[in-house]
Amino acid sequence: GIQVEQSPPDLILQEGANSTLRCNFSDSVNNLQWFHQNPWGQLINLFYIPSGTKQNGRLSATTVATERYSLLYISSSQTTDSGVYFCAVGPYSSASKIIFGSGTRLSIRP
Amino acid sequence: DGGITQSPKYLFRKEGQNVTLSCEQNLNHDAMYWYRQDPGQGLRLIYYSQIVNDFQKGDIAEGYSVSREKKESFPLTVTSAQKNPTAFYLCATSPQVNTEAFFGQGTRLTVV
Repeated sequence: GIQVEQSPPDLILQEGANSTLRCNFSDSVNNLQWFHQNPWGQLINLFYIPSGTKQNGRLSATTVATERYSLLYISSSQTTDSGVYFCAVGPYSSASKIIFGSGTRLSIRP
Repeated sequence: DGGITQSPKYLFRKEGQNVTLSCEQNLNHDAMYWYRQDPGQGLRLIYYSQIVNDFQKGDIAEGYSVSREKKESFPLTVTSAQKNPTAFYLCATSPQVNTEAFFGQGTRLTVV
């Protein structure tokens, strides 16, 4: 099945710093999402981005489907950005599934 | 109030007992999913359903069962055959396959 790899696994930054999180996938996908999991376990939708670039405030994402990767950019980090960021894909080979990467744990220090 | 409702939020059961986790949605979404998350890990797919009366096994279906008798409901039963059931269980829905998915708040199951 498709492999979804996220890097780095852990990231520690000072408040105000910028960061880039990466998601690589091993096969063609129909869709791709980025989520933020808060300390209570809730998964918050950040972007639905099968291709192209989107921006929402301090966050933006780019997916290059032909090269099988997606990037999530966080600018001017705040402590509330801390948590785990997941990439999830829907592979062409199994259209109904949504497969998650193992996540990037982001810690923002004041 | 709209959305995806998982209940209960916390569940404790004795080893060897079956337990059913509830997932209800009023978003009129066709597709529903169950995931398991262990501490410090990602989400793994247990079962998914594209339409009513149809469901497929995910990557870790052993020891679990589901039903999809109504569009709004997709309950997950954790059976005594599941060797390590203590985990965080998350339900998700999407309007159709290959569209954006949304998650409930999860159920933390502890088996003692």
